Order: sequence, then structure tokens, then C-alpha cells
Amino acid sequence: DTAVSQTPKYLVTQMGNDKSIKCEQNLGHDTMYWYKQDSKKFLKIMFSYNNKELIINETVPNRFSPKSPDKAHLNLHINSLELGDSAVYFCASSRLKNTEAFFGQGTRLTVV
Amino acid sequence: KNQVEQSPQSLIILEGKNCTLQCNYTVSPFSNLRWYKQDTGRGPVSLTIMTFSENTKSNGRYTATLDADTKQSSLHITASQLSDSASYICVVTAGDSTDKLIFGTGTRLQVFP
Repeated sequence: DTAVSQTPKYLVTQMGNDKSIKCEQNLGHDTMYWYKQDSKKFLKIMFSYNNKELIINETVPNRFSPKSPDKAHLNLHINSLELGDSAVYFCASSRLKNTEAFFGQGTRLTVV
Repeated sequence: KNQVEQSPQSLIILEGKNCTLQCNYTVSPFSNLRWYKQDTGRGPVSLTIMTFSENTKSNGRYTATLDADTKQSSLHITASQLSDSASYICVVTAGDSTDKLIFGTGTRLQVFP
């Protein structure tokens, strides 16, 4: 059983398109996150949701909008994709804010 | 400025050897420090998490140390295996109301037979 699963694993799309990445966790965790890892392998947190409420938004452009329909899901919607959005996006969850985070396998987004 | 710096940037060792990775941070106030292992093409996996009062924690062949006074942490890998080849990321959580996570840029470890 996959604890944190995200789809799709790979996503290639043209500039200007709108796309979504889905994330689901079956661990019963209260907090979910989205991270972006750039080409230099530097991980940067984008959003954190605790019980469906946004608690961190790390100066991410408003083209990125997280949507949490319930505690087990945190989807990432991106409008008007730009070349610089190309990266690997990781979803993660943790039981509490400061406890161990479990990561999904990542979604490699390529904008052409 | 809150920063987490790791060294070395990359490291190559032979199978069976030990190695130590370093993490220095300037995050204040401090809540906890985590070490993650990230295999190529996979998400990070937690190895250890340490709070202010803990100065060592082990997870199998991985042993992390924390010196909160000097703001340094190390990750020691004993009897390395080929499967240890990965990136190791140090993450510090700020102890203020933001709970902000500050990531290091990682150490890329390669273990050769």
C-alpha cells in the first residue's frame, strides 16, 4: 500500500496551459505539503495544509493554487504554466506539523 | 538569515567504508533537525529527527548527532553499502510560530564497489 501517492508521475505540457497534480495519503495524517525541487535538487516548501486550512504559503505565485477537498487529499493546480515551473513536485504528509514527513514519489513537470 | 549549509557537496566512497556528512545551521529559534535520504527519482525518506535536547539518534547504520550550542549536526554512515548512494538532506525547523522548514542543498553520496 502506497502511503503518499501522487499522479501523474510525469507531465509534459506547453507554456500557457493549466494542469493539476493530485495527491492522496492513507496515513490518517493531519498535515499535507507541496514541495518543489529544482534542477539543482534544492527542495523548497510551497504549501502546507493542516486540517484543510492553509498554514504556509512560501511566496508562491498565485498561479499555483492548492485544493484540499478533504484531509486525505491535497491537489495542486497550476494556471498559465511557464518554463520556469519545470521541476519535480513532491507531496508529503505528517501526523503533526513538526513530526516526520512522508513523501510521495514526485511528479516531474516539464513545460515546453 | 536562517540558513542550512551542508558539506561536502558530493562524496565518493568505497563499499564498506564509513563516512560523515556535515550540516551547519543558523536557524534561530530552533525546533528540530531532520536528516532525509533521497534516492534518484524518488521522494525523500526520513532517517532521523532530533529536538533541542537530543544529541544523538541512530537508525540502523545511520547515526545523527546534534550540537545545539555550535548549531552543527552530522550524519555518520557505518559500513556503507551500494544502496546508500543517494542525496542526504538536512532540514531545520524554526522554533517560532511559523514552524518554517529550512532545507540544506544536500550531499550527494556515491558508494562504489
